[in-house]
Amino acid sequence: DAMVIQNPRYQVTQFGKPVTLSCSQTLNHNVMYWYQQKSSQAPKLLFHYYDKDFNNEADTPDNFQSRRPNTSFCFLDIRSPGLGDAAMYLCATSREWAQGETQYFGPGTRLLVL
Amino acid sequence: AQSVAQPEDQVNVAEGNPLTVKCTYSVSGNPYLFWYVQYPNRGLQFLLKYITGDNLVKGSYGFEAEFNKSQTSFHLKKPSALVSDSALYFCAVRDLGLDRGSTLGRLYFGRGTQLTVWP
Repeated sequence: DAMVIQNPRYQVTQFGKPVTLSCSQTLNHNVMYWYQQKSSQAPKLLFHYYDKDFNNEADTPDNFQSRRPNTSFCFLDIRSPGLGDAAMYLCATSREWAQGETQYFGPGTRLLVL
Repeated sequence: AQSVAQPEDQVNVAEGNPLTVKCTYSVSGNPYLFWYVQYPNRGLQFLLKYITGDNLVKGSYGFEAEFNKSQTSFHLKKPSALVSDSALYFCAVRDLGLDRGSTLGRLYFGRGTQLTVWP
């Protein structure tokens, strides 16, 4: 049974055309994360939500925004995608923020920018 | 600052042989260590973690990892490799932050090690 679901799995957009990626979870976890992963590199944390509290990483570009309308859903909005934003975007969840908590990842959305 | 090093970009092993994927870490206190596996075009799958207690941690798919505090290592091991184990493996450490609103408490990933098991 899928626990962290990401849609779509593949997304093609045009340079500068806004795009939204979605993530949903059936785990009822408090924390949701968005990561960017480029070409066999380590995932890079963009931001996370603890419940409705939004926390942005210091080096996340303003071009990236996020929404969490309820516990189950979280969206990543890229306002004006550039060629450098082509990557795999991973959503993850954890029950709590505590250090020992496991993060569970979705299958990812691969974004292609033309 | 917390950091993780995976000194090998690639590990190649024959099916049936034991495998080891190395990881060393640097933290300012007690470490919380994780291993994840990623298959092509997939998300990360959790394998195992060390929080406290027994230094040998057993995880999914027959994998285990040994926590060695003196060597600051957390190597991933499997007694007998399968071709289906071929994937990208990430070691990660969680730092000590308790403040949800800060960058502390994030998961720091190593660069990843590509494991290839050949028949």
